[in-house]
Amino acid sequence: DVKVTQSSRYLVKRTGEKVFLECVQDMDHENMFWYRQDPGLGLRLIYFSYDVKMKEKGDIPEGYSVSREKKERFSLILESASTNQTSMYLCASSLGIVFTEAFFGQGTRLTVV
Amino acid sequence: SQQGEEDPQALSIQEGENATMNCSYKTSINNLQWYRQNSGRGLVHLILIRSNEREKHSGRLRVTLDTSKKSSSLLITASRAADTASYFCATDNNQAGTALIFGKGTTLSVSS
Repeated sequence: DVKVTQSSRYLVKRTGEKVFLECVQDMDHENMFWYRQDPGLGLRLIYFSYDVKMKEKGDIPEGYSVSREKKERFSLILESASTNQTSMYLCASSLGIVFTEAFFGQGTRLTVV
Repeated sequence: SQQGEEDPQALSIQEGENATMNCSYKTSINNLQWYRQNSGRGLVHLILIRSNEREKHSGRLRVTLDTSKKSSSLLITASRAADTASYFCATDNNQAGTALIFGKGTTLSVSS
């Protein structure tokens, strides 16, 4: 079975901190994604990556950056955490964009205080 | 930008009834997918339908796709309490270098 693992289930950080959310997949998928999910807004795409060291902005990249140094790992970085970044963060991976399903991690619920 | 929009936002039914959720999208697509999310968890893939398919079945799930209307529906037959979850449709926008774009979801409550 494909497994996508997010490093933390719950996280509490202070305003202004630099925050790293880690995601690892074990199926050699080329594509990895970061979404945030907020009530009433659904899932919104932050960044995605098609290959190592490649990244593409999604719909809401402001305040975030990403890193993909190895194929299996995709990190989301909050450069200076703010309270409006309190949210559920979901990582996903897929073998291809077309005709393939995405596999999701369990989510990280981040609270910025 | 949101590609898919689910309707209704919330749905409450009794066990044994059928549940129908709809999804509309804006641009041409390669495929449309439906996902399920139990409260506070990650999403789980349910079914994928390609743009050249009109209907697909998987167990108690039936998905239809009407590309002329840019819409899809997910039917869950003989619902169970365990079907209580949020359901999302997701599409690409038929362009290279894009990711899956999700709608806001339909929250289904099945009571016994």
